[in-house]
Amino acid sequence: EAGVAQSPRYKIIEKRQSVAFWCNPISGHATLYWYQQILGQGPKLLIQFQNNGVVDDSQLPKDRFSAERLKGVDSTLKIQPAKLEDSAVYLCASSPLGNEQFFGPGTRLTVL
Amino acid sequence: GENVEQHPSTLSVQEGDSAVIKCTYSDSASNYFPWYKQELGKGPQLIIDIRSNVGEKKDQRIAVTLNKTAKHFSLHITETQPEDSAVYFCAASTGGSYIPTFGRGTSLIVHP
Repeated sequence: EAGVAQSPRYKIIEKRQSVAFWCNPISGHATLYWYQQILGQGPKLLIQFQNNGVVDDSQLPKDRFSAERLKGVDSTLKIQPAKLEDSAVYLCASSPLGNEQFFGPGTRLTVL
Repeated sequence: GENVEQHPSTLSVQEGDSAVIKCTYSDSASNYFPWYKQELGKGPQLIIDIRSNVGEKKDQRIAVTLNKTAKHFSLHITETQPEDSAVYFCAASTGGSYIPTFGRGTSLIVHP
């Protein structure tokens, strides 16, 4: 079974630039999550989708972050404009209706 | 909201020794406690979990204990091996949301 795929794996940008991350969950998994993991900390949830609807985005900084999940499969997370404090690993996870979460390898973002 | 504290932040042991990682949580409504292992450059992987109606669970060299009264739960790894070296995260979640709050992680180093 293929795991959660994410791209790119690494991204370096200047502050105030824009960036987008892509996630392809495990086939058949209805729930998709985006997490932010700052160095030395545990992952923090940004947004949860159930199929193509948003379940929880209470911790998403909506002034600069946006996410979508078209057709209930792939998802993209965008940051515009980026700040220095956005430097982190962005993890995507999927699960079959609220059970165990399967994480992708993450995208490491460095904002200079 | 939920707050999860995890100790120690770093744990160094000799191969064959046991390792114990401890966590506390604040929300008495939390009822699901997963543990994740994160290797360098990879996303977290679930290694064991426990629900609030169970006091202890074991899977080969790994065991988890839960004390609901004290709001403590612990991960025990016996006969440690170099491949156990990684960052371990505890987490707690409530009800049907299955959105875990993570601890800050423990870096386990097993010396051969």
